[in-house]
Amino acid sequence: GAVVSQHPSWVICKSGTSVKIECRSLDFQATTMFWYRQFPKQSLMLMATSNEGSKATYEQGVEKDKFLINHASLTLSTLTVTSAHPEDSSFYICSARDHSLHRNQPQHFGDGTRLSIL
Amino acid sequence: DAKTTQPNSMESNEEEPVHLPCNHSTISGTDYIHWYRQLPSQGPEYVIHGLTSNVNNRMASLAIAEDRKSSTLILHRATLRDAAVYYCILRDRFYFGNEKLTFGTGTRLTIIP
Repeated sequence: GAVVSQHPSWVICKSGTSVKIECRSLDFQATTMFWYRQFPKQSLMLMATSNEGSKATYEQGVEKDKFLINHASLTLSTLTVTSAHPEDSSFYICSARDHSLHRNQPQHFGDGTRLSIL
Repeated sequence: DAKTTQPNSMESNEEEPVHLPCNHSTISGTDYIHWYRQLPSQGPEYVIHGLTSNVNNRMASLAIAEDRKSSTLILHRATLRDAAVYYCILRDRFYFGNEKLTFGTGTRLTIIP
């Protein structure tokens, strides 16, 4: 089946560091990918929609200068948390849909990246 | 997307069937009912989806009420690996606008050995 790979799966870094998270669709192409954030014991909250070849669309309240998204190819989207601080510590998850299939087909999720800022 | 309501938590014994309910009284005629689940420390995974008729796949069955205002995800024989948070999500068939998924709080399913 369709696989979405996220890397790294776990990051610990100092406050002020920028962290890049990659999301790859391994066996399909995706014109659109989604980035979610999940705090402990809470549900997933959509942060932004990553669009191949164009600017990302951010949800209300998400700082676009803090969470930089790049979707340079049909199989790769990256999320960069710039100047990360402890409050950015969270579980970040991406998803994608095979764009060759009907839009009603399910999305596939990566296994997430656990980010801890000291 | 129309709103869904699910119980916060449920428990079931291992090897018994599990019925997970979802209410969606404001569902529109073009909304599909999707179910995803999230195992601990993992991203969500797709379980099943349907529009009007009941649906079966290797993971589960989806029973949809005749008026479509509610649905039930059925795990026929629960295992410990089925312990997860289950999300019921409505998706407009024509996806006017974005394809994004809006996750509610879901149902945390605990399986008792």
